[in-house]
Amino acid sequence: ETGVTQTPRHLVMGMTNKKSLKCEQHLGHNAMYWYKQSAKKPLELMFVYSLEERVENNSVPSRFSPECPNSSHLFLHLHTLQPEDSALYLCASSQDRGTDTQYFGPGTRLTVL
Amino acid sequence: GENVEQHPSTLSVQEGDSAVIKCTYSDSASNYFPWYKQELGKRPQLIIDIRSNVGEKKDQRIAVTLNKTAKHFSLHITETQPEDSAVYFCAASIMYDMRFGAGTRLTVKP
Repeated sequence: ETGVTQTPRHLVMGMTNKKSLKCEQHLGHNAMYWYKQSAKKPLELMFVYSLEERVENNSVPSRFSPECPNSSHLFLHLHTLQPEDSALYLCASSQDRGTDTQYFGPGTRLTVL
Repeated sequence: GENVEQHPSTLSVQEGDSAVIKCTYSDSASNYFPWYKQELGKRPQLIIDIRSNVGEKKDQRIAVTLNKTAKHFSLHITETQPEDSAVYFCAASIMYDMRFGAGTRLTVKP
């Protein structure tokens, strides 16, 4: 399971901290995604990048800031988060941004104190 | 936007029995319907998918059916085994916008 990797796997941060989540895909895909997975809620699409260009921002608060420097790497920069932001953050990639199979990374379990 | 409803939220079956999970979607333009399995502490993994030009697809013990008119699709698992225990998510996709159901926790009792 090395197609899509994420670091760190676990992160605990205070509300005033700044941290970043990293995702890397080794599949040669052109599209990458950030999802939030909270308990008892559907997976929520946060951001979509296609060929390094952001194509979707599903009304995500500005305390989450994505960055896609190239088609293999995706970051999620976090600052001044709230306790309700605690969740599993999943990265995924697909060949193109159309209706292609998405492959998920293992996720980063984020806890905001 | 698309809205996906998934039922039931929990399902418990005896080993060897069949399990059926149902999803409905709201946007008739949705044209791709994957199903993901997520074991505890692991990433979601695609187990089967279907596109809107197909009514049924089967892969060994797993099958998916799609009714475009009624806008619902279902996952069927036959001869369930304890290792099938996991959370299953359906999804409906238009272009890159994939919306997921809330998930079904399946427990297969030996």
